Amino acid sequence: DTGVSQDPRHKITKRGQNVTFRCDPISEHNRLYWYRQTLGQGPEFLTYFQNEAQLEKSRLLSDRFSAERPKGSFSTLEIQRTEQGDSAMYLCASSSSSYNEQFFGPGTRLTVL
Amino acid sequence: AQSVAQPEDQVNVAEGNPLTVKCTYSVSGNPYLFWYVQYPNRGLQFLLKYITGDNLVKGSYGFEAEFNKSQTSFHLKKPSALVSDSALYFCAVRADFGNEKLTFGTGTRLTIIP
Repeated sequence: DTGVSQDPRHKITKRGQNVTFRCDPISEHNRLYWYRQTLGQGPEFLTYFQNEAQLEKSRLLSDRFSAERPKGSFSTLEIQRTEQGDSAMYLCASSSSSYNEQFFGPGTRLTVL
Repeated sequence: AQSVAQPEDQVNVAEGNPLTVKCTYSVSGNPYLFWYVQYPNRGLQFLLKYITGDNLVKGSYGFEAEFNKSQTSFHLKKPSALVSDSALYFCAVRADFGNEKLTFGTGTRLTIIP
């Protein structure tokens, strides 16, 4: 399977704990995006990388959120001191150019108890 | 700012009938428009896009969409619905310059009735 992969698929954590998600984009895609989707809503943009450079961050991405793409390949999204409001599906997507569609991974479903 | 409106939360269509899922958008500059489909427990799948050129674009699984600049719309259509088309459909927009973030609508649940 050469699609976008995400790990883990599901994460249950207690409020106040830190969590980290990983995304592996389609190989040779230089653009990588993170979105968050809550029940009944469409995905909301969080942040975007071109190669290893983080080019844009949404206001939704509070100081507790950090994303990295250290070698321009896989990316991690960390949430510190999780809150119940962080419960959502976290989606990763990748693209090969500005003009092409974004291909989405299966998502990581986070539940904060 | 950019936004997408999908005015119908739910659309029901009889199998074999034509279907339309509506989308209107707002964006500064020229739009790049996309339709995605989401099946239960699966990720978003790309259906089709409009970047430039012909206003009628064709995509996967027999779907097509028509870009209407004057009405700022990008409705998704299919001539003959299949039960397997039942899913959640999202319209998305971004501007042709500047940031590359997609802004999605709230989705339309399409149910095809056998």
